[in-house]
Amino acid sequence: KAGVTQTPRYLIKTRGQQVTLSCSPISGHRSVSWYQQTPGQGLQFLFEYFSETQRNKGNFPGRFSGRQFSNSRSEMNVSTLELGDSALYLCASSFGGSLYNEQFFGPGTRLTVL
Amino acid sequence: DAKTTQPPSMDCAEGRAANLPCNHSTISGNEYVYWYRQIHSQGPQYIIHGLKNNETNEMASLIITEDRKSSTLILPHATLRDTAVYYCIVRGGGNSGNTPLVFGKGTRLSVIA
Repeated sequence: KAGVTQTPRYLIKTRGQQVTLSCSPISGHRSVSWYQQTPGQGLQFLFEYFSETQRNKGNFPGRFSGRQFSNSRSEMNVSTLELGDSALYLCASSFGGSLYNEQFFGPGTRLTVL
Repeated sequence: DAKTTQPPSMDCAEGRAANLPCNHSTISGNEYVYWYRQIHSQGPQYIIHGLKNNETNEMASLIITEDRKSSTLILPHATLRDTAVYYCIVRGGGNSGNTPLVFGKGTRLSVIA
C-alpha cells in the first residue's frame, strides 16, 4: 500500500507571497493532519481534516488554512508569507476512527521563505 | 504543552537493547501512550502504542508501569538505522476522536558501532 505523499518536496518563496502544499493520504484513510516543524518550536500541530471538515485546530494565525477534498486529499495554504514560516511541513493520515488512531506521516515539504 | 518527560539524549551500543524511558505522571484513565521516532529530515514514524498492558510488535516493546505514570520503549537489538529522535506522546483515545499528537523534545538516541 502506498504511503502518504506530499508535493512539492521543496519550495522557495519570498516574503509576502502565498503557498499551497498538497497531501495525498494512504488509501482508505479519511483523516489528514498537518504539522509544522522548526528548529526552535519543534513539531507543532496545525489542523486536522476529517470527511472534508476541519475537526481540530492548533494555535496558528489565520494566514494558515487548509481544506480536504472528497477523495480525502488535502491542501494547506499559507498567505502573506513571513520569514518565520520557513519550516518542514508534515502531513499525516489515519483512518480517523477512535480505534485506528495511528498517524502515518509523509516525507514533508521543506518551505524556505526568503 | 507535552505531557511527557524524556531524557534529551542516550547512547546505545549496536546489537544491545535500547531502553528509552518516559514519565507521564499526569496521564488520565483514557489516555494512551504512543511512541514515534524521527530519523533525520524524514517524517515521524509510528512505533507502538498502549493503554495499560505491555505491548510488543515487530519493531519494539512497550512496558507501562502498573500506575501508568511511566513507560519504557525497548528496541531489543539496536542497529545503526535506529539512530533517531524518539518521541513519547500521551494522547486521548476512545470517543475523543483523532486527537492531535503533541510532540515534546523527545530523546535523541545514538546507536554506536
